[in-house]
Amino acid sequence: ETGVTQTPRHLVMGMTNKKSLKCEQHLGHNAMYWYKQSAKKPLELMFVYSLEERVENNSVPSRFSPECPNSSHLFLHLHTLQPEDSALYLCASSHARQGVNYGYTFGSGTRLTVV
Amino acid sequence: AQKITQTQPGMFVQEKEAVTLDCTYDTSDPSYGLFWYKQPSSGEMIFLIYQGSYDQQNATEGRYSLNFQKARKSANLVISASQLGDSAMYFCAMREGRGGSNYKLTFGKGTLLTVNP
Repeated sequence: ETGVTQTPRHLVMGMTNKKSLKCEQHLGHNAMYWYKQSAKKPLELMFVYSLEERVENNSVPSRFSPECPNSSHLFLHLHTLQPEDSALYLCASSHARQGVNYGYTFGSGTRLTVV
Repeated sequence: AQKITQTQPGMFVQEKEAVTLDCTYDTSDPSYGLFWYKQPSSGEMIFLIYQGSYDQQNATEGRYSLNFQKARKSANLVISASQLGDSAMYFCAMREGRGGSNYKLTFGKGTLLTVNP
């Protein structure tokens, strides 16, 4: 248990489905992140929330919609996905703007398969 | 230009031997932090070790040590006495200190380490 909990661990969805990924942390962190990890590709930063405000959106398609209702929770809403969206989605949290010696704490990820 | 470069897509090591995983970085920021993470096949990213740009000594955490050569901009991870459980993907990452983006952690492509019995 890392302190960052992601649910579900595995998800299979059709291209017309709507689903949500959930991330929760109780580490007192105030920044949260969504990363996408595809096979044989580096980790891609998708979204960053700092102090509950979205501060970065790295050209992610609109079929991915993040939501951060408070500093402990982060969601990724999915709709009309494509097979190439199949990947491991990792959530992480950290202290924002508290110096470079703070890394991230990651969740265990949601392995998403789009069929 | 890539900020973090890991040139070894895969590495093999015999159990109980030491192995070095390479990482070079690129930044003009005088203040930065370097991190190594381990990712087993289960997917979770596990923090291993941290080195700050102003740290005078190389970081160590148990069997992990970081060979920090600032002038060469390299931060290699050394794993001593390898164990079968060390088989995993290893990522080098950097967090830069200047500006509003200092929360951002940039990752390399990773090195897949296989420990042979």
